[in-house]
Amino acid sequence: KQEVTQIPAALSVPEGENLVLNCSFTDSAIYNLQWFRQDPGKGLTSLLLIQSSQREQTSGRLNASLDKSSGRSTLYIAASQPGDSATYLCAVRHTGNQFYFGTGTSLTVIP
Amino acid sequence: EAGVTQSPTHLIKTRGQQATLRCSPISGHTSVYWYQQALGLGLQFLLWYDEGEERNRGNFPPRFSGRQFPNYSSELNVNALELEDSALYLCASSLAGGYGYTFGSGTRLTVV
Repeated sequence: KQEVTQIPAALSVPEGENLVLNCSFTDSAIYNLQWFRQDPGKGLTSLLLIQSSQREQTSGRLNASLDKSSGRSTLYIAASQPGDSATYLCAVRHTGNQFYFGTGTSLTVIP
Repeated sequence: EAGVTQSPTHLIKTRGQQATLRCSPISGHTSVYWYQQALGLGLQFLLWYDEGEERNRGNFPPRFSGRQFPNYSSELNVNALELEDSALYLCASSLAGGYGYTFGSGTRLTVV
């Protein structure tokens, strides 16, 4: 069974700092990996989707990498802003079409 | 293109009653997934429907059930509501294969 782990569980950084969130998974038989953002009490917003054949994806200040063989992904946030404060979740889509979520990293960016 | 829509936004029910939550996927998406997120907890997988069939279900009692209609919209039913069923229920849709999820904004169910 696929297991997805996110480290750290919580992170607090001063505004302007660059930061890295980590996601690891146990089964490399995946279609893709997706990073989401969730604001308190809200639904999930997709940030980046990386296909299994890709190494990275970029959107604005966000860059996500994927190393399928080692079962790792990182989400890099450049020049963090208070508006980036949210919970960040990664999800892998197994080749059986099942999605598996990590438990998330709660990010606080201090002005 | 309309996103995933869920209704109602909020729902308040009394313990023992039944709740029905609805989800309309993005046009063309055939898979619908339901998740429960209790306050302060992670996403718990409930149900997955694809092409009208239940493909998988999470570790929830049978009083959590649902269905997918021919137009791919879906309904989640929770019978004999308990206080601990209070949570945000999220629906997501997807195409089959190597595509990602798109989530709706959720239904906040409160059981009193």
